[in-house]
Amino acid sequence: AQSVSQHNHHVILSEAASLELGCNYSYGGTVNLFWYVQYPGQHLQLLLKYFSGDPLVKGIKGFEAEFIKSKFSFNLRKPSVQWSDTAEYFCAVNVRGGSQGNLIFGKGTKLSVKP
Amino acid sequence: NAGVTQTPKFQVLKTGQSMTLQCAQDMNHEYMSWYRQDPGMGLRLIHYSVGAGITDQGEVPNGYNVSRSTTEDFPLRLLSAAPSQTSVYFCASTKTRLATTHTGELFFGEGSRLTVL
Repeated sequence: AQSVSQHNHHVILSEAASLELGCNYSYGGTVNLFWYVQYPGQHLQLLLKYFSGDPLVKGIKGFEAEFIKSKFSFNLRKPSVQWSDTAEYFCAVNVRGGSQGNLIFGKGTKLSVKP
Repeated sequence: NAGVTQTPKFQVLKTGQSMTLQCAQDMNHEYMSWYRQDPGMGLRLIHYSVGAGITDQGEVPNGYNVSRSTTEDFPLRLLSAAPSQTSVYFCASTKTRLATTHTGELFFGEGSRLTVL
C-alpha cells in the first residue's frame, strides 16, 4: 500500500530561520504531490502541488518544494520563516489514474516559530 | 460561493447514540470525501464518492455510513457512536473524479469536532 512519511513531528524555529520539512512516499508509479497547511483552529489549505514539469514548485507565502523522483521525496522549503507560519504541515500524494480526491496524507509536521 | 460547508462544528455524543454530520458544496464538484483527523495520525479517508449515487470505502470505514443522493450533499452517519470515533472530521471536494496530469485542489470544510463519551 502507498504511504507517506514525514520525518519530523515537531519543528521549532526562530523567525528568519530557514525551513526544510521532509516528505517521502512509497509508490512505484506516477503520483501527484501536495503540501497542505493547517493554521491553528482552521481547515486545511493547499500550499502547493506538483503533477508534472519543473520539479521545483513555488507555492503561496514564499514556500517551495522540490520533487526528486529518484529519492521519492517532495521536501518543503522556505528561506526565512515568520511567526505567522506557525501551523501544521501535511504532505499528501495521490496516484495518477486513481481517484483524484483519495489523498494519502503523512502524519503531519507541527511548526512552531518563535518571535 | 460558500465552498464546502459542514455542520455541526461541535458535537458531544454518548456511546451508542447515532448522528449525522452534514456536508454540502456549491461548486458542482463530482468528488466528495470524508476524512478524520487524529493527533499524530494525519488525515485518514473514511468514505468517498465520485458522483451522485456512487460511494466507496476509504481506509477507515467501519462504524460510518454515507450516501450521495445529490451532487451537493454528502452526509456522514455514525450508527452507534463509540469513544474511538472521537475525532475531528473534515469533508472535502474536488472538481473531477480522476487523478490526471492536472489534478485540481481538494477543498476542505471547516471541520466538525466530535466527542463521544
